[in-house]
Amino acid sequence: QKEVEQNSGPLSVPEGAIASLNCTYSDRVSQSFFWYRQYSGKSPELIMSIYSNGDKEDGRFTAQLNKASQYVSLLIRDSQPSDSATYLCAVILTGGGNKLTFGTGTQLKVEL
Amino acid sequence: GAVVSQHPSRVICKSGTSVKIECRSLDFQATTMFWYRQFPKKSLMLMATSNEGSKATYEQGVEKDKFLINHASLTLSTLTVTSAHPEDSSFYICSVKPRNEKLFFGSGTQLSVL
Repeated sequence: QKEVEQNSGPLSVPEGAIASLNCTYSDRVSQSFFWYRQYSGKSPELIMSIYSNGDKEDGRFTAQLNKASQYVSLLIRDSQPSDSATYLCAVILTGGGNKLTFGTGTQLKVEL
Repeated sequence: GAVVSQHPSRVICKSGTSVKIECRSLDFQATTMFWYRQFPKKSLMLMATSNEGSKATYEQGVEKDKFLINHASLTLSTLTVTSAHPEDSSFYICSVKPRNEKLFFGSGTQLSVL
């Protein structure tokens, strides 16, 4: 099992819809989780961080964390074409010297 | 504003040459910086942790003699790809953690070795 796993996509959603991106991780005791957005040819930019079970909302973005099931998700409401990018899930894995480990990313396409 | 600055953004070089990439932290002192590499459609892989005033810590499988890291000041870390070959062509990104556990990235350097 990969340490941080994401479906590579592409995930296509129509403009205005909710995009749901999922991520699972292997380290049961991980405490810190992040979502980054990466446009083609650019470096990642931090969208959200989440540390506690439940939902965390920031504008159109909601991060959801379920430590018991070892998954973290990102919801994007009212998706816009500008949201089209690759979304990277990142987890600080306690077993690896507290290093930030990235999933392979999910490509999101928001269609007009 | 930007937290970290990285230069150059793009390098094209001949096989066998060396390439230096600079990473500067802005407005704060960074005792630690991180260097990542990303191949097309792949995830970011941590190459090494750059420590100010001491040797860098390299990840398993990364050749320290090929990827030289120098962190001589609290605001500057450099990565030198020595004797570059086509398989070294990749997107190299530096990053810093100025507060808490949030990682901020430089703009990245696209290296193409001919």
